[in-house]
Amino acid sequence: EDKVVQSPLSLVVHEGDTVTLNCSYEVTNFRSLLWYKQEKKAPTFLFMLTSSGIEKKSGRLSSILDKKELFSILNITATQTGDSAVYLCAVNTGTASKLTFGTGTRLQVTL
Amino acid sequence: GAVVSQHPSWVICKSGTSVKIECRSLDFQATTMFWYRQFPKQSLMLMATSNEGSKATYEQGVEKDKFLINHASLTLSTLTVTSAHPEDSSFYICSATPGTSSDNEQFFGPGTRLTVL
Repeated sequence: EDKVVQSPLSLVVHEGDTVTLNCSYEVTNFRSLLWYKQEKKAPTFLFMLTSSGIEKKSGRLSSILDKKELFSILNITATQTGDSAVYLCAVNTGTASKLTFGTGTRLQVTL
Repeated sequence: GAVVSQHPSWVICKSGTSVKIECRSLDFQATTMFWYRQFPKQSLMLMATSNEGSKATYEQGVEKDKFLINHASLTLSTLTVTSAHPEDSSFYICSATPGTSSDNEQFFGPGTRLTVL
């Protein structure tokens, strides 16, 4: 059974801190790993990673994939209250774009 | 571009009634749509994969007679929760992907919150 595990489950930090969110996976057929941000409604896309060691960056967010160790990290620097959300990691297992989601990490950024 | 809508946004119904949720791709043709369920403080669980013009593929443990999926056109898929019960109360999210490549990005709808009394 395909499995995606995220840690920590929940995190509270002060504005300005840097956070690292973890995602590990065990799947039979890996095509890509995706990160999403979910606030009150549906997830919004952040990154898609397919190759090991290549960092993807968007503003204060960055992510990298390690296909040998089967994990990815999502970094957020200089956090802001607007970063408070649930961050979801999902793996595309290649069967018609099927995504297996992790449990999510709930991030709260306080003033 | 790549907008997916869902209707309704939220619905409250009595136990035993059926509820239909629509998922539309507004500016692209979606050969594949996915239906997810999300319970409070939990992650998205894939319920079924819906391909235009063919029967949906259900995940293990999802009752196909209870969650009827119809993907009659390239822009519309519907999920009908039949004889809904309080334990069906959840947040239902659809996503759509253009084309047939396994690498195509999924675009998510805003979700439908179902409450069954």
